[in-house]
Amino acid sequence: GQQLNQSPQSMFIQEGEDVSMNCTSSSIFNTWLWYKQDPGEGPVLLIALYKAGELTSNGRLTAQFGITRKDSFLNISASIPSDVGIYFCAGQRGNNAGNMLTFGGGTRLMVKP
Amino acid sequence: GAVVSQHPSRVICKSGTSVKIECRSLDFQATTMFWYRQFPKQSLMLMATSNEGSKATYEQGVEKDKFLINHASLTLSTLTVTSAHPEDSSFYICSAREGGSRVHFGNGTRLTVT
Repeated sequence: GQQLNQSPQSMFIQEGEDVSMNCTSSSIFNTWLWYKQDPGEGPVLLIALYKAGELTSNGRLTAQFGITRKDSFLNISASIPSDVGIYFCAGQRGNNAGNMLTFGGGTRLMVKP
Repeated sequence: GAVVSQHPSRVICKSGTSVKIECRSLDFQATTMFWYRQFPKQSLMLMATSNEGSKATYEQGVEKDKFLINHASLTLSTLTVTSAHPEDSSFYICSAREGGSRVHFGNGTRLTVT
């Protein structure tokens, strides 16, 4: 299926630094979701965004649903070693078709203590 | 919170054999479940959408006769990889829709075909 354009593909940062990643699409989504995946496990939902322009925080994580509904970003402030993992954005188009998710290619985050 | 249990977490099988993976929603009813495949260092790719009591809808390029999906109840969907080959080795993940737009993921199954 179609993927969202997620960038960067990978990041290697120092502990304490802030992190920013984003996803863009050529088409509109009605819901944007951000997941984190640890090795060998399924994705875990971090933040869900349901409204264009919405800015939502979850602890050190902040995500925004773009006004055009074609993009979203995720920021992580003051990174810590346990933030290591792969972060995926995902979009949902609507309430029909079972709410199928379209995923971005992922951002692999590595944190140096 | 809602939990999706996927079993087994790891399986090794010989080429030519079949493997069944189960996906259960433990505390909610899921009329729709999704099956994904994930190759190393890649994103999740949707294989099929499974609706309770009806045939699964497969994504383009996914062989329905090879990846058999059965969603016999509101809490269980199964994926059977038939006549598995080494190129089927992958990480398979299911998710279940809990009403509205909430979707919960299983922990995945690592399939290795030797």
